[in-house]
Amino acid sequence: SSELTQDPAVSVALGQTVRITCQGDSLRSYYASWYQQKPGQAPVLVIYGKNNRPSGIPDRFSGSSSGNTASLTITGAQAEDEADYYCNSRDSSGNLVFGGGTKLTVL
Amino acid sequence: QVQLQQWGAGLLKPSETLSLTCAVYGGSFSGYYWSWIRQPPGKGLEWIGEINHSGSTNYNPSLKSRVTISVDTSKNQFSLKLSSVTAADTAVYYCARGRGSGGSVAYYYMDVWGKGTTVTVSS
Repeated sequence: SSELTQDPAVSVALGQTVRITCQGDSLRSYYASWYQQKPGQAPVLVIYGKNNRPSGIPDRFSGSSSGNTASLTITGAQAEDEADYYCNSRDSSGNLVFGGGTKLTVL
Repeated sequence: QVQLQQWGAGLLKPSETLSLTCAVYGGSFSGYYWSWIRQPPGKGLEWIGEINHSGSTNYNPSLKSRVTISVDTSKNQFSLKLSSVTAADTAVYYCARGRGSGGSVAYYYMDVWGKGTTVTVSS
């Protein structure tokens, strides 16, 4: 399958930890990359590879992977983390595929 | 710091051809994949296709029959053409730089994005 499945919405209390997951067969061969998108803005890469953060991304963002599931964890969520989050990888045909996105609400 | 600047027509009629260009400033053009991604209003991201500096392309199978991505390395630019547009092609279109690595578990990511171009298809 070339699909990546994400929960449509997740909420977290301010300062607590939240995990956003992404499932798909391609994740057995490819690490997911994760993107944060705020309204009216372009996506921003937050995690790539096994668990790498681009420069400028806070260390409260981390990534992990097990089997066909990739996870993005925010430890100590802040109000500014409220956004849509998308996972992405290549499928077995080499095509890029995005998950449907998870809307994160910080309460 | 690498920046992507994109431009193109924002209003099209059904059956016309969408044409967008993305210029790469402040960085190398070779060694990367250059992608187009779109986002319909209120919906998620959809990958359209990609090209590398040598012109090798890869397209989303659902759009492949209508998509052409080309590159002009002399200008550090790449372009998207999408033919026979309909209202379903109304979206914000992004260009992005991609890079990856192989291994027992490979990875790929897009680390630089353009600001997006809103394209509306309406009669």
